[in-house]
Amino acid sequence: GQQVMQIPQYQHVQEGEDFTTYCNSSTTLSNIQWYKQRPGGHPVFLIQLVKSGEVKKQKRLTFQFGEAKKNSSLHITATQTTDVGTYFCAGLGNFGNEKLTFGTGTRLTIIP
Amino acid sequence: NAGVTQTPKFQVLKTGQSMTLQCAQDMNHNSMYWYRQDPGMGLRLIYYSASEGTTDKGEVPNGYNVSRLNKREFSLRLESAAPSQTSVYFCASGRQTDYYEQYFGPGTRLTVT
Repeated sequence: GQQVMQIPQYQHVQEGEDFTTYCNSSTTLSNIQWYKQRPGGHPVFLIQLVKSGEVKKQKRLTFQFGEAKKNSSLHITATQTTDVGTYFCAGLGNFGNEKLTFGTGTRLTIIP
Repeated sequence: NAGVTQTPKFQVLKTGQSMTLQCAQDMNHNSMYWYRQDPGMGLRLIYYSASEGTTDKGEVPNGYNVSRLNKREFSLRLESAAPSQTSVYFCASGRQTDYYEQYFGPGTRLTVT
């Protein structure tokens, strides 16, 4: 079955430093989505990428979808304490069955 | 709009007991999902329902049953709880568009002793 791997599992950064998490799928995806989960909270949808090579920005967050539609990345510039949480990628396969496969997540902690 | 609601928020069960987790959404979404979240494992799909009247197994369905009661409600039942089912359970719903983004409920933290 489809597998989505995400690295790193944990990342500790000083406030103001950049942060990147990477997502790799074992199969080609029709789209990839990113979610954020604050400590003690529930996952919240951030964005979706559909096109090969697509890049989208949300303020300090930059999302990329690979050319082969099998990998993606999330980059945060100049982290702030509000960025704390776990970031998940989730891939939708090409078979139209509506099931997302979530990555294992990257937990980001910020050192003030 | 309340979005996706789940009850209860917390539950402690003894091994062998049964219980039903309730989920409801008021966004008129066709699709609904049940996930479990364990440390280091991400979110794993238990069951999902693409529309009222249909349900399908996800990645980890053993030990669970579901009911799509109507378009709004999707319940998850543990018939005979086991310690391995200790987890946080999330319900989600999604639009049946091209992109299937999902909206999550607040979760139920279940402990089986």
